[in-house]
Amino acid sequence: RKEVEQDPGPFNVPEGATVAFNCTYSNSASQSFFWYRQDCRKEPKLLMSVYSSGNEDGRFTAQLNRASQYISLLIRDSKLSDSATYLCVVIFNNAGNMLTFGGGTRLMVKP
Amino acid sequence: DAGITQSPRHKVTETGTPVTLRCHQTENHRYMYWYRQDPGHGLRLIHYSYGVKDTDKGEVSDGYSVSRSKTEDFLLTLESATSSQTSVYFCAISPAGGGSRGLQYNEQFFGPGTRLTVL
Repeated sequence: RKEVEQDPGPFNVPEGATVAFNCTYSNSASQSFFWYRQDCRKEPKLLMSVYSSGNEDGRFTAQLNRASQYISLLIRDSKLSDSATYLCVVIFNNAGNMLTFGGGTRLMVKP
Repeated sequence: DAGITQSPRHKVTETGTPVTLRCHQTENHRYMYWYRQDPGHGLRLIHYSYGVKDTDKGEVSDGYSVSRSKTEDFLLTLESATSSQTSVYFCAISPAGGGSRGLQYNEQFFGPGTRLTVL
């Protein structure tokens, strides 16, 4: 079993829709959580960090559920420009400073 | 955008030849990382550095070596390239490498990537 798992998708949604992705992690000794966005043939870019209390940045909301060991990303009012692959990233306590990446969830927003 | 550059951006080489990829940063961050990204595997850490001349292995370090003689440069070397090392290589930097200083210190910023093809 992978340490960080995501549904690869693709999620095909119309513009304006709300879409949510979940990411599960296997090690409860986890330290930090992030969502990255990666466009086709580009580098991953930090979308948002995930705080224990949950956090919101415009149309994006991230939640952390330590008891169930998952994080989520909610995108409201989807735009065509949101089409990308979203990577869930975890830093585990016992892994020092290494990021562990999920395989990514692909989102395609259609007109 | 964080000041990270990678060179070369594309390279085609033959099996058995040595290859060196360079990562250069202008942010003066302490931590630097090399990842490879392959279909079906996602991003995997090869090596990382936590200071000048301080490096450690990642998940997939076999066949790779690294060096960091200056804060701003982190080199990845394939001593004898193999076809299994065909991949996209990303460098990343971070002000801190985990720990309790807060999320903003653990965030990593990626370079544009190097596409390496080993024939």
